[in-house]
Amino acid sequence: AQRVTQPEKLLSVFKGAPVELKCNYSYSGSPELFWYVQYSRQRLQLLLRHISRESIKGFTADLNKGETSFHLKKPFAQEEDSAMYYCALKNTGGFKTIFGAGTRLFVKA
Amino acid sequence: NAGVTQTPKFQVLKTGQSMTLQCAQDMNHNSMYWYRQDPGMGLRLIYYSASEGTTDKGEVPNGYNVSRLNKREFSLRLESAAPSQTSVYFCASSLSSGTNEQFFGPGTRLTVL
Repeated sequence: AQRVTQPEKLLSVFKGAPVELKCNYSYSGSPELFWYVQYSRQRLQLLLRHISRESIKGFTADLNKGETSFHLKKPFAQEEDSAMYYCALKNTGGFKTIFGAGTRLFVKA
Repeated sequence: NAGVTQTPKFQVLKTGQSMTLQCAQDMNHNSMYWYRQDPGMGLRLIYYSASEGTTDKGEVPNGYNVSRLNKREFSLRLESAAPSQTSVYFCASSLSSGTNEQFFGPGTRLTVL
């Protein structure tokens, strides 16, 4: 069965510290992986996707098929990074997206 | 562009009442989705519409019906609301399945007493 696991409900780091939000998935086919973010009083929005292999707002995520992981990383956290982050998986070419339970990141000054 | 809009923003129902949640998008997207968000469970897909004229069940369709009224609008109906349907409901749209990014509405907070 398809599943996305985000083991941390809450992650608290100090400003300037590195941050890693974990995401593990189970999927038998060829998945597409995403990170969505929801800032306070804003809509859920796409942060990045694995096929783009890009860095957005200093965040990167590498798909590790061997470990079935797609962890989100940023070397130096900023207070404006405080938000709810969701890892998501979709089957290639399909419509059904499976979301993880989310991790709330709190960056302290 | 307003993007994806949802009405109402808040709603309180009594068990057994019915209601329809409205969703519209002005981005000329082909695909639309309804999710529910519950604490500790992330977003779960209720129904989706790959294109105008088609709808399909998602992960948790029981107790819901949908209508793709036209390309812009995708409504979600609760025929007989139950307390288990207390949740935050999000509508989303995407250009197509091949375009992976989904654009979300602001959500509807529904409480069923």
